[in-house]
Amino acid sequence: DTGVSQNPRHKITKRGQNVTFRCDPISEHNRLYWYRQTLGQGPEFLTYFQNEAQLEKSRLLSDRFSAERPKGSFSTLEIQRTEQGDSAMYLCASSVRDSTGELFFGEGSRLTVL
Amino acid sequence: EDQVTQSPEALRLQEGESSSLNCSYTVSGLRGLFWYRQDPGKGPEFLFTLYSAGEEKEKERLKATLTKKESFLHITAPKPEDSATYLCAASSRMHYQLIWGAGTKLIIKP
Repeated sequence: DTGVSQNPRHKITKRGQNVTFRCDPISEHNRLYWYRQTLGQGPEFLTYFQNEAQLEKSRLLSDRFSAERPKGSFSTLEIQRTEQGDSAMYLCASSVRDSTGELFFGEGSRLTVL
Repeated sequence: EDQVTQSPEALRLQEGESSSLNCSYTVSGLRGLFWYRQDPGKGPEFLFTLYSAGEEKEKERLKATLTKKESFLHITAPKPEDSATYLCAASSRMHYQLIWGAGTKLIIKP
């Protein structure tokens, strides 16, 4: 399968713990995005990479969130000191450079903070 | 402020009953209007891109249209497998990331 892959699919953690999600984009896509989605809402933009460079980060994103794409391939999203409000689906998407909005999404990583 | 609003929030139809979903947008310098389909527990799946007023795109039982203020997703003779949440998003010349609506949950009853 050559789609966007996300791991783990589900994560249950206790408040205050750190969690990390991984995203493997489609191999020829140089743009990678992280979104957060809660029930009944559209995706909320978190951050965006072009190759290994993080070009944009949402102003709403807490300092507890950090994302990396070290070699321009896979990416990780880490949430430190999780809070109950962090419970959501975390979506990764990738696209080719010239795409204005045709994103290919993974199946998401669902986080539950107890 | 740039904004995308979808209506209705939910729509229940009988199989074969055609209808339309609405996406109203207020975006400075629209670059593109996008429709996605999202099944429960999955990521959104791209359907259409529309770039200018008057443009139409079709795919099976779906047709997307665009005016200067809104976009419609028309569903003709839907089947139960068309049940999903349909999301609308817009891109602006002012900033890169997509502006998303909250979606319309479509339920097609057999």
